[in-house]
Amino acid sequence: DQQVKQNSPSLSVQEGRISILNCDYTNSMFDYFLWYKKYPAEGPTFLISISSIKDKNEDGRFTVFLNKSAKHLSLHIVPSQPGDSAVYFCAASKDTGNQFYFGTGTSLTVIP
Amino acid sequence: DGGITQSPKYLFRKEGQNVTLSCEQNLNHDAMYWYRQDPGQGLRLIYYSQIVNDFQKGDIAEGYSVSREKKESFPLTVTSAQKNPTAFYLCASSMGWQPQHFGDGTRLSIL
Repeated sequence: DQQVKQNSPSLSVQEGRISILNCDYTNSMFDYFLWYKKYPAEGPTFLISISSIKDKNEDGRFTVFLNKSAKHLSLHIVPSQPGDSAVYFCAASKDTGNQFYFGTGTSLTVIP
Repeated sequence: DGGITQSPKYLFRKEGQNVTLSCEQNLNHDAMYWYRQDPGQGLRLIYYSQIVNDFQKGDIAEGYSVSREKKESFPLTVTSAQKNPTAFYLCASSMGWQPQHFGDGTRLSIL
């Protein structure tokens, strides 16, 4: 049972435009969410997080939005750069953060 | 330079053999994890350990075993009971609420 879903396997955007990656979850007990970025043959690297007490968190070009009522979060990248081309995973946790549930990933391609 | 080291990067196993994947961290993190990634799927948790000499099963623990004798090390054994072991295996560690840090993974293939 997939508790965290990323329904778009891939996304292509032009350099300089906004990239929006979406993530939905089913468990209302999730209270901590993260986004990871992964290049081929490497491990994921942490990008940005948000706790359920917030609805937005920003770090440079990256902003994560959380809509608890819709059980939906999104990652906005503005402006998109070719180096952002990677697979992005969202993850959610419902306790002290020791067990995370990952989505299936969205492959982002930023076209120069 | 702190981090997580997984070795080897590529591993081949004959059917019926057990194989052990290494994971070492020098981040002084308490918790360590093993995930499996298959094409088109997210990361699925195999086992995790919050302290030395203690570990818990994740969602897909069948056919795997782990040990946590030292804080820095969390090896994963893929046993012959695992019917479909070909996958990309990722090890991670974390401290408290901090995000997990991942190694670069081991790709296991069956000969």
